[in-house]
Amino acid sequence: AQKITQTQPGMFVQEKEAVTLDCTYDTSDPSYGLFWYKQPSSGEMIFLIYQGSYDQQNATEGRYSLNFQKARKSANLVISASQLGDSAMYFCAMRERGYQKVTFGIGTKLQVIP
Amino acid sequence: EADIYQTPRYLVIGTGKKITLECSQTMGHDKMYWYQQDPGMELHLIHYSYGVNSTEKGDLSSESTVSRIRTEHFPLTLESARPSHTSQYLCASRPETGEFTDTQYFGPGTRLTVL
Repeated sequence: AQKITQTQPGMFVQEKEAVTLDCTYDTSDPSYGLFWYKQPSSGEMIFLIYQGSYDQQNATEGRYSLNFQKARKSANLVISASQLGDSAMYFCAMRERGYQKVTFGIGTKLQVIP
Repeated sequence: EADIYQTPRYLVIGTGKKITLECSQTMGHDKMYWYQQDPGMELHLIHYSYGVNSTEKGDLSSESTVSRIRTEHFPLTLESARPSHTSQYLCASRPETGEFTDTQYFGPGTRLTVL
């Protein structure tokens, strides 16, 4: 079974608008961490934001915030005030306690329109 | 800012050649990883290491091999490259503080094309 599901292969957003990228996950471990990465066309993976399963508040990093709904096993990334440089692939990922490996979703391609 | 380096960034090579993709990090991280990623697709873990002289195969079967003789260096070798090996290879490392906040930091990747 897929542990990380990203159901939006591609998204468009107008510059300066907000956009939400969906991510759902599957785990029976109560302790886990969720990550979002950005991959521009140049290929490198850039860490954006982290949410721990026991964190009471949603994580925020500048224009990025993570809408964490634990009961629904959802960890959506919200990008506010989109910029042209936000055009990239976005990957959701998870690591479970004691499990050294990180599982990645298939990604969502975001395109910001001027 | 993570200091993890990969060389070469781009490599075009003929079938049957032996190649080594280099990965180095200057952060003293014990854990290092190699991922394979086809264009527009998800990352697949092919190798990882917990420290010097420790290597494990990942979730995706790969004909490549790795070594970890020094903490900072985690090279990947293909003894005989084939067109099916054409892909992007991403190296990553992370610290071990025992917290889930241990983020993986990625290198810039190597785009390999085997003709």
